[in-house]
Amino acid sequence: EADIYQTPRYLVIGTGKKITLECSQTMGHDKMYWYQQDPGMELHLIHYSYGVNSTEKGDLSSESTVSRIRTEHFPLTLESARPSHTSQYLCASSEYNRGHGYTFGSGTRLTVV
Amino acid sequence: SQQGEEDPQALSIQEGENATMNCSYKTSINNLQWYRQNSGRGLVHLILIRSNEREKHSGRLRVTLDTSKKSSSLLITASRAADTASYFCAPSVYNQGGKLIFGQGTELSVKP
Repeated sequence: EADIYQTPRYLVIGTGKKITLECSQTMGHDKMYWYQQDPGMELHLIHYSYGVNSTEKGDLSSESTVSRIRTEHFPLTLESARPSHTSQYLCASSEYNRGHGYTFGSGTRLTVV
Repeated sequence: SQQGEEDPQALSIQEGENATMNCSYKTSINNLQWYRQNSGRGLVHLILIRSNEREKHSGRLRVTLDTSKKSSSLLITASRAADTASYFCAPSVYNQGGKLIFGQGTELSVKP
């Protein structure tokens, strides 16, 4: 079944650790996105990609980095986690045709202690 | 960047009643999309209305678009407790390359 998967679902990690949040989609979508969302708040676009080897920073400055080596995979990495990185991270994908909506993953809830 | 602004911020109704949420935006759009988010989960795409459409239906959902007023509304008829969620609108414009910028959403609570 075509879908988008995020792992882990929950992550509690100590300050200073390097972490990678995984996002994979099986729909062959060209465009992929990462959003950051605090509880009850708006989503902030932090990274996006229009295809393999394409990555751009979003509207909200983020200390994270992303890569897009394969169409289906768009991981997000924090080199040194801090408590200020505590948030929910949502991955999404869409077709290049602008007439379709986004498909979102279930999110990763990150807590940095 | 183009962002939709939802109104009201929160809405509480009884099961069976209709729920109306509004969205305003600032510039010309290609289409406007509505999404639902259950607590702690990802967003689910509900409906997309193109700039040349004025009304669209999907099950108990009815979306209208008024490009002259730069506004849209989402109506949920005969609401159910399971409709309890946050609802977001997202305008899509050509010069944003398909990026969607989401506002704070409307938090809908449907009481049994």
